[in-house]
Amino acid sequence: EAQVTQNPRYLITVTGKKLTVTCSQNMNHEYMSWYRQDPGLGLRQIYYSMNVEVTDKGDVPEGYKVSRKEKRNFPLILESPSPNQTSLYFCASSLQGNYGYTFGSGTRLTVV
Amino acid sequence: AQSVTQPDIHITVSEGASLELRCNYSYGATPYLFWYVQSPGQGLQLLLKYFSGDTLVQGIKGFEAEFKRSQSSFNLRKPSVHWSDAAEYFCAVGADSWGKLQFGAGTQVVVTP
Repeated sequence: EAQVTQNPRYLITVTGKKLTVTCSQNMNHEYMSWYRQDPGLGLRQIYYSMNVEVTDKGDVPEGYKVSRKEKRNFPLILESPSPNQTSLYFCASSLQGNYGYTFGSGTRLTVV
Repeated sequence: AQSVTQPDIHITVSEGASLELRCNYSYGATPYLFWYVQSPGQGLQLLLKYFSGDTLVQGIKGFEAEFKRSQSSFNLRKPSVHWSDAAEYFCAVGADSWGKLQFGAGTQVVVTP
């Protein structure tokens, strides 16, 4: 089944403890992206990637890192999480940059 | 600055009635336009998209959207809603083909019997 897989689905962590949310797609898509969803704000793009080793900042990149060492994987790294990063995170992928993204099921992160 | 606006935060509609969700954007050129739906506790599903050509676009689940350049709008419509259409709907706009995609704040649709 064609899909975008994120792990974990739920995560509670403490302020300052580094964490990684994994994302993998099995559709051989070139483009991948991370979004965060907060009530009343919709989805805001954190980072996106056009291909292996090619990434760019979205609208809210502060406090996040990404890497694209393989085409299928696009992990999101929070080096020092803070409570304002408590949110619902979505990974997405697309064959082309203007085709529209296929989204994963989301990761609900709570930072205490 | 580029922006995407969904003026209606919440809409209540009766089952069987028509539905129209509004989306306005502010971009320098004709952007790539999308509508997504998010059911409770789920990820987002692409309903339809517009790149160019015919300004009336058909999507899945009986939805359609119309691009109006003069009004910078891309409104979503459905002639007769079903209870299963209760969800949150997001308009999204891309200024280029490099993967940067901006979403509106969403419109919550409630369907009453």
